[in-house]
Amino acid sequence: EVQLVESGGGLVQPGGSLRLSCAASGFTFSTYWMYWVRQAPGKGLVWVSRIKGDGSEIRYADSVKGRFTISRDNAKNTVYLQMNSLRGEDTAVYYCVRGYSLGSMDYWGQGILVTVSS
Amino acid sequence: EIVLTQSPGTLSLSPGERATLSCRASQSVTSNYLAWYQQKPGQAPRLLIYGASNRATGIPDRFSGSGSGTDFTLTISRLEPEDFAVYYCQQYGGSPEVTFGQGTRLDIK
Repeated sequence: EVQLVESGGGLVQPGGSLRLSCAASGFTFSTYWMYWVRQAPGKGLVWVSRIKGDGSEIRYADSVKGRFTISRDNAKNTVYLQMNSLRGEDTAVYYCVRGYSLGSMDYWGQGILVTVSS
Repeated sequence: EIVLTQSPGTLSLSPGERATLSCRASQSVTSNYLAWYQQKPGQAPRLLIYGASNRATGIPDRFSGSGSGTDFTLTISRLEPEDFAVYYCQQYGGSPEVTFGQGTRLDIK
């Protein structure tokens, strides 16, 4: 059974940092693109970043470029999102998602809340 | 930048009725890389359709996707009580690489 479990969320002050982790199981982790998608309270879905299975390709949304860093450790079946210089508008539930076919995403974690507030 | 506009914003229907949800792109979607997701309150989204018309694993055949280029449709042929949720379309391959529509809320009438 595919499972994606996020951790590391919480309350952080503006300008602060946080690192999210996503532990994957039930599939050959190193062969899949992995994504981070966020959803502000009561709002829609927004893509944040994605990383290729071997880590050789990385992409970011313009809104987080230069502040967020995605990485992965295939030995630990874990993908990370390092978030620096956090702003109020980064407040959201962050989902770890597995890339699937034709640009879609099939398995989603339960989500982890990040709140940026003083 | 590819913008996906979903309509209507809210759709109120009764169980057993047919639902037609629209997703219009501001530019042609690369190779029909268009997906649909269902999200219920407090839950993560669930993939329904990928490649514009392919049902994901385990998705009932009352869900179908169609369209190409800039106009895409998700059809639910006969609504079940569990189908009332928010639906999002998503494209891949444009600029930015991944964008979602703003969602259509499907409410029980």
